[in-house]
Amino acid sequence: AQSVTQLGSHVSVSEGALVLLRCNYSSSVPPYLFWYVQYPNQGLQLLLKYTSAATLVKGINGFEAEFKKSETSFHLTKPSAHMSDAAEYFCAVRKSGGGSQGNLIFGKGTKLSVKP
Amino acid sequence: EAQVTQNPRYLITVTGKKLTVTCSQNMNHEYMSWYRQDPGLGLRQIYYSMNVEVTDKGDVPEGYKVSRKEKRNFPLILESPSPNQTSLYFCASRNREIPYEQYFGPGTRLTVT
Repeated sequence: AQSVTQLGSHVSVSEGALVLLRCNYSSSVPPYLFWYVQYPNQGLQLLLKYTSAATLVKGINGFEAEFKKSETSFHLTKPSAHMSDAAEYFCAVRKSGGGSQGNLIFGKGTKLSVKP
Repeated sequence: EAQVTQNPRYLITVTGKKLTVTCSQNMNHEYMSWYRQDPGLGLRQIYYSMNVEVTDKGDVPEGYKVSRKEKRNFPLILESPSPNQTSLYFCASRNREIPYEQYFGPGTRLTVT
């Protein structure tokens, strides 16, 4: 069975500081991994995805994530936080096998606050 | 504009009063899905549909029904809502062959008293 674990339900950084949101996954097959962002009062939008190509994946708004198989991690980073980055971030893994193949399993989310 | 729409956006109802939340997409996507989002629990899948007349249970289907009579619509039905179904609900759709490009609706905040 596949799963994702997001470490830290709430992360607070200062504007201009490094953003690091942690995600670890569990999968018996090569995973497809995703980060979604949810701005206040909005639906989720895809930030970036890993689909077994390059291990360093770049997404929108300056975010990137690195797939590390040895650590079963897919942490999200951004070198310099902006106030507009304040949102909730979800890591997800794609289910594989069986009738539910392609469905997403989401982590519990990490709420990012950015202080001026 | 490609989008997933949900109605209503906000709904307050009472226990036992049947309700339907509509979801519609204009991208000709085969796959549609319903999730509920609760604080500290993330998103959990309720039901999904691979195509017209094909639906299947997700991780938390109890108390919900769905139907897929048309490709663009995927309504979520609560026959007898209970307070534990108070939640934020999201509909999503994607092209069946592109599993990671999932598009989400804006959400429906449901309160059952």
